[in-house]
Amino acid sequence: DAGITQSPRYKITETGRQVTLMCHQTWSHSYMFWYRQDLGHGLRLIYYSAAADITDKGEVPDGYVVSRSKTENFPLTLESATRSQTSVYFCASSEEGAKQPQHFGDGTRLSIL
Amino acid sequence: TQLLEQSPQFLSIQEGENLTVYCNSSSVFSSLQWYRQEPGEGPVLLVTVVTGGEVKKLKRLTFQFGDARKDSSLHITAAQPGDTGLYLCAGANYGQNFVFGPGTRLSVLP
Repeated sequence: DAGITQSPRYKITETGRQVTLMCHQTWSHSYMFWYRQDLGHGLRLIYYSAAADITDKGEVPDGYVVSRSKTENFPLTLESATRSQTSVYFCASSEEGAKQPQHFGDGTRLSIL
Repeated sequence: TQLLEQSPQFLSIQEGENLTVYCNSSSVFSSLQWYRQEPGEGPVLLVTVVTGGEVKKLKRLTFQFGDARKDSSLHITAAQPGDTGLYLCAGANYGQNFVFGPGTRLSVLP
């Protein structure tokens, strides 16, 4: 089925470890986004990508790395996880950046101990 | 940095009541979207408003975009328990991404 899929849905890891969150979309949307959602802050943009091999920082990029070698995939890597990165992470896609609505995945709940 | 504020943060009402949720900013947006999010799921788009002063209706939900495109409101008539959720507004800047408000958590009691 067409859509946007995030994996894993839940992840527990330890500080200092590297962890990668996966995002896959089947619409061939140009734009993809990564957000984190924390109480009191709403959704904050981490990174976004306008096309394959093009990525840009959002509001809170420190400690995160992204890549986009293929249009359909947009993985998010925490190179050395910290407790402050415990959050719910959402991936989204849209046809044309801010000109079109975003479609969200169901999120990854990440806990860092 | 563009910021969006939403009020109230929390709202608990009885089934059948009316309510209005507000989304405000000092910045101008090219468009504004409203999303609803349920526990364990991602936000789902309800509506996009583009023109200053625009009003859109979606069944019992009425959305309005301010004349200056800096603010918006969501009015729900005769709320039902199925309306329970987190309502998020998102302003599209003139670039490539969105700014989200912190959300209004609505609980409609039967």
